[in-house]
Amino acid sequence: QVQLQQWGAGLLKPSETLSLTCAVNAESSSKYYWTWIRQPPGKGLEWVGEIMYDGTTNYNPSLKGRGTISVDTSKNQFSLRLTSVTAADTAIYYCANGVVLWDWGQGTLVTVSS
Amino acid sequence: DIQMTQSPSTLSASVGDGVAVTCRASQSISIFLNWYQQKPGEAPKLLIHGATTLQTGVPSRFSASGSGTDFTLTISSLQVEDIATYYCQQTYSTPRTFGPGTRVEIK
Repeated sequence: QVQLQQWGAGLLKPSETLSLTCAVNAESSSKYYWTWIRQPPGKGLEWVGEIMYDGTTNYNPSLKGRGTISVDTSKNQFSLRLTSVTAADTAIYYCANGVVLWDWGQGTLVTVSS
Repeated sequence: DIQMTQSPSTLSASVGDGVAVTCRASQSISIFLNWYQQKPGEAPKLLIHGATTLQTGVPSRFSASGSGTDFTLTISSLQVEDIATYYCQQTYSTPRTFGPGTRVEIK
């Protein structure tokens, strides 16, 4: 079983950049897809985007081009950056491994408020 | 984008009852359908992948069926620890959309 530990700033002001990182305890991250998902408080799950070990990425069009997912295979970590955040980006953000989301991080609540 | 719908939105049943949650895709997704369980305050957990394959460690009272556009998650005998919200997700194409969730409660 893969364990994922995530961290990042929990309180942002509108227009700032969200930055989250997820560390994976797998021996090597080179075999996997890595995914970010978010969940607004009290609401359902939204797929944010994914990255393959070779750097290929896919994003939800709802992000309107504001998202970037990157991977550092040397550190077994992958990251999410989301620019120009608004209150609508307030959510618990989860990292997970795979296209099928086999294992999940613990979640990070990100609140966007002035 | 492929739209996913689920019914019912809330399900209330007694311990020991059999219950079923349905998930429908707006177009055929073959068997690229997964089910997740999310208990209050916790991260979701994978229950079923490939429409019918039980994830390792998931109790056998959970089962699933379907292909194409219509899918079902069944709990054969509802237990207190099954109180949760259940989500389906298609991984046929990006964006890999989730259903809105079904909350399962004890009557």
